[in-house]
Amino acid sequence: NAGVTQTPKFQVLKTGQSMTLQCAQDMNHEYMSWYRQDPGMGLRLIHYSVGAGITDQGEVPNGYNVSRSTTEDFPLRLLSAAPSQTSVYFCASSYFRDAQETQYFGPGTRLLVL
Amino acid sequence: AQSVTQLGSHVSVSEGALVLLRCNYSSSVPPYLFWYVQYPNQGLQLLLKYTSAATLVKGINGFEAEFKKSETSFHLTKPSAHMSDAAEYFCAVSASNAGGTSYGKLTFGQGTILTVHP
Repeated sequence: NAGVTQTPKFQVLKTGQSMTLQCAQDMNHEYMSWYRQDPGMGLRLIHYSVGAGITDQGEVPNGYNVSRSTTEDFPLRLLSAAPSQTSVYFCASSYFRDAQETQYFGPGTRLLVL
Repeated sequence: AQSVTQLGSHVSVSEGALVLLRCNYSSSVPPYLFWYVQYPNQGLQLLLKYTSAATLVKGINGFEAEFKKSETSFHLTKPSAHMSDAAEYFCAVSASNAGGTSYGKLTFGQGTILTVHP
């Protein structure tokens, strides 16, 4: 299994540009989520999904859209990038079984918005 | 709702000394608690997790944490620090619903950077 993969690893955008951060998992996990990491603030939840076709907002959803058409993929879209969206983005997938919840994180995408 | 507070954004220890990283949480329901480590320019690696079984949880690389409900704490310790332990450490909490899952949603603390001096 490749686990959780994210592309690209690094991206530079200009203010107002749009882009999609890709996230895929090959473990057939039900739950997927996106976090952003900023210095001194830990990781904050942007959006999450409990299954194909079902998404919901996290703590910091403004400026981001998500969709989940398949179990495997959970892309994050920035419609009009702003410098405040400069961050490191992590995708995660998880499952719940035998009263245990297990999370897997991707390697991250570093985004710079100029 | 839940929250996590990590006391001390930077902790510095000498090699061989005790490592203690503090984490306090709040949660309206019985929590799951996690410690993650992040090495420079890398992703998150799970160190250990508490899921309502034993209150003393042992993890990888010699780390352990003790869940203390009365103190709402989940401090991370290691008896003897090694240079390779230098990293940023995150405490996280998830709130399970009645069925026991949090749907993968975690609330993280702000992180503690551990520096180990020779």
